[in-house]
Amino acid sequence: DIVMTQSPLSLPVTPGEPASISCRSSQSLLRHTGYNYLDWYLQRPGQSPQLLIYLGSNRASGVPDRFSGSVSGTYFTLKISRVEAEDVGVYYCMQALQTPYTFGQGTKLEIK
Amino acid sequence: EVQLVESGGGLVKPGRSLRLSCAASGFTFSSYSMNWVRQAPGKGLEWVSSLSSGSDYVYYADSVKGRFIMSRDNAKNSLFLQMNSLRAEDTAVYYCTKYSESLDLHQGNDHWGQGTLVTVSS
Repeated sequence: DIVMTQSPLSLPVTPGEPASISCRSSQSLLRHTGYNYLDWYLQRPGQSPQLLIYLGSNRASGVPDRFSGSVSGTYFTLKISRVEAEDVGVYYCMQALQTPYTFGQGTKLEIK
Repeated sequence: EVQLVESGGGLVKPGRSLRLSCAASGFTFSSYSMNWVRQAPGKGLEWVSSLSSGSDYVYYADSVKGRFIMSRDNAKNSLFLQMNSLRAEDTAVYYCTKYSESLDLHQGNDHWGQGTLVTVSS
């Protein structure tokens, strides 16, 4: 199984400041299409998860452009350019290359 | 508007069975693969099962293989998860998700239901 490792697990951020979450996969998530099969999801308190980023760097429909994803080998980064209060929640990376699909442990973002 | 509404959760004794349903609307259900993802209380997300649009392909996590059966009725826009031989460790909120693809290119689980809680306890 592919192991997904996120860091940090807790992330206090001041509103208006940037934030960055890392995710590392135990093996390449690059498919023959040339795309990395890595998603980012946000689960706000008391809500279902929602898709933020797919294929490592593509924003899902309706996701603000302050969210961006990047890839470097087996290292993936989710960046928020300026954190807002509504960004509070737990962020998960998930590999969609092969079953069993696996998630990172989650990173809890909170407002300072 | 895409809607996924799970039902069928509840309290069940270990060893018993439960059948979850997910009613889909707002999209052409028969064209999309679907997933079940669960979340134990206070824990992270765990993928459970995936089913292709025409039910040709089904995949299960090792933790549920041989006990859970995922199925769908495209005529009724419904997804199911038959859970047998339930264990305490199956206690979780179960989400159904719509898996999106375009031209065979992955586009993520772009819609999630609100979840249904399954509690396995004597």
